[in-house]
Amino acid sequence: AQSVTQLGSHVSVSEGALVLLRCNYSSSVPPYLFWYVQYPNQGLQLLLKYTSAATLVKGINGFEAEFKKSETSFHLTKPSAHMSDAAEYFCAVSVRDMRFGAGTRLTVKP
Amino acid sequence: ETGVTQSPTHLIKTRGQQVTLRCSSQSGHNTVSWYQQALGQGPQFIFQYYREEENGRGNFPPRFSGLQFPNYSSELNVNALELDDSALYLCASSLGQGGRADTQYFGPGTRLTVL
Repeated sequence: AQSVTQLGSHVSVSEGALVLLRCNYSSSVPPYLFWYVQYPNQGLQLLLKYTSAATLVKGINGFEAEFKKSETSFHLTKPSAHMSDAAEYFCAVSVRDMRFGAGTRLTVKP
Repeated sequence: ETGVTQSPTHLIKTRGQQVTLRCSSQSGHNTVSWYQQALGQGPQFIFQYYREEENGRGNFPPRFSGLQFPNYSSELNVNALELDDSALYLCASSLGQGGRADTQYFGPGTRLTVL
């Protein structure tokens, strides 16, 4: 069955530090993978998606993710955290419906 | 271009009641998906509609039902509300037939509280 696991329910970084949010997937078919961000009391906003083209995917707000088939991973990174990056981040695999991970709450310290 | 809108924003119901939530798709989108997001969890797929027909359903009981209208707007109906139905209900629209690569665009959600 297709699923994603997000490692770490909470991640805290200092402003300007590297952001690394981990996602591992399980899929019996070539996966389509997504990262979404959710700000408090809002819906989900697409950051980026992988659809079997380039393995390094660049998204909005300086985020990027690398698809690694050998590791079944699709980790999200950003070189330098900004206070406005504080939010909940969800990794998802698309089967027919979208299957989301439990989310990682990112806190950015000044 | 208008994004996905949902109404109402918040709703309080009592156990056993029925509720209808509404969603307007992003302009030009013909597929609508509904998700339930319980507090502290990721969204869970309820069902999807493509051109007014149900196009997939998650692991939710029949008291969760939906409709899609000719203008591609949609409703989610929940009968016999239970306390565990308290959640944020998200609607997402996309252009396509619900394919795996389709990007879904989410609305802000409806927060349902069941007392």
